[in-house]
Amino acid sequence: QQPVQSPQAVILREGEDAVINCSSSKALYSVHWYRQKHGEAPVFLMILLKGGEQKGHDKISASFNEKKQQSSLYLTASQLSYSGTYFCGTEIEYGQNFVFGPGTRLSVLP
Amino acid sequence: ETGVTQSPTHLIKTRGQQVTLRCSSQSGHNTVSWYQQALGQGPQFIFQYYREEENGRGNFPPRFSGLQFPNYSSELNVNALELDDSALYLCASSGLAQMGKDTQYFGPGTRLTVL
Repeated sequence: QQPVQSPQAVILREGEDAVINCSSSKALYSVHWYRQKHGEAPVFLMILLKGGEQKGHDKISASFNEKKQQSSLYLTASQLSYSGTYFCGTEIEYGQNFVFGPGTRLSVLP
Repeated sequence: ETGVTQSPTHLIKTRGQQVTLRCSSQSGHNTVSWYQQALGQGPQFIFQYYREEENGRGNFPPRFSGLQFPNYSSELNVNALELDDSALYLCASSGLAQMGKDTQYFGPGTRLTVL
């Protein structure tokens, strides 16, 4: 079953923060985050596993709330290069049923 | 760049024809997954190959089939093309069969147009 992402789109000014959410009605084994720029392939950002963890690198981090079956991607002090569509991908079982969400379009303006 | 290559870049076919798309995985990766991405939507999982065996399949009809070769490169074959098959086809390679434990590296995709 496809995860739900919110918001569908967000527009930011450079330097502002954003949060993108990904939720599932089913218990998740893992959540993957990818960014895709127009006309390009998705690029891996990070994987979070059940157990509730938080990861991050540079100014992009994510958390996974196992109780809510929700993951959030945090982008702080956004840069122009952050523009793109962010997809979460969820896995219900170990190595099975991998499904991408519909995406969140992020636009960072100067 | 990820080291995953796909060919051709673009392809135009007519309804009812057959098509073969190719993917070379990143060095050291033994797992290839194929995705279909319609315009404005997220990638939809077609199937995955691990060491030349199909190792998982999404909700796609049997006219979508694939192969993986001993060098871990892969082919996606689509028979009896339909207009709705028009999409970007992405392949992704990873080091393990279990996607939950490893990163997928995507190729640039093949844009298929069915007229």
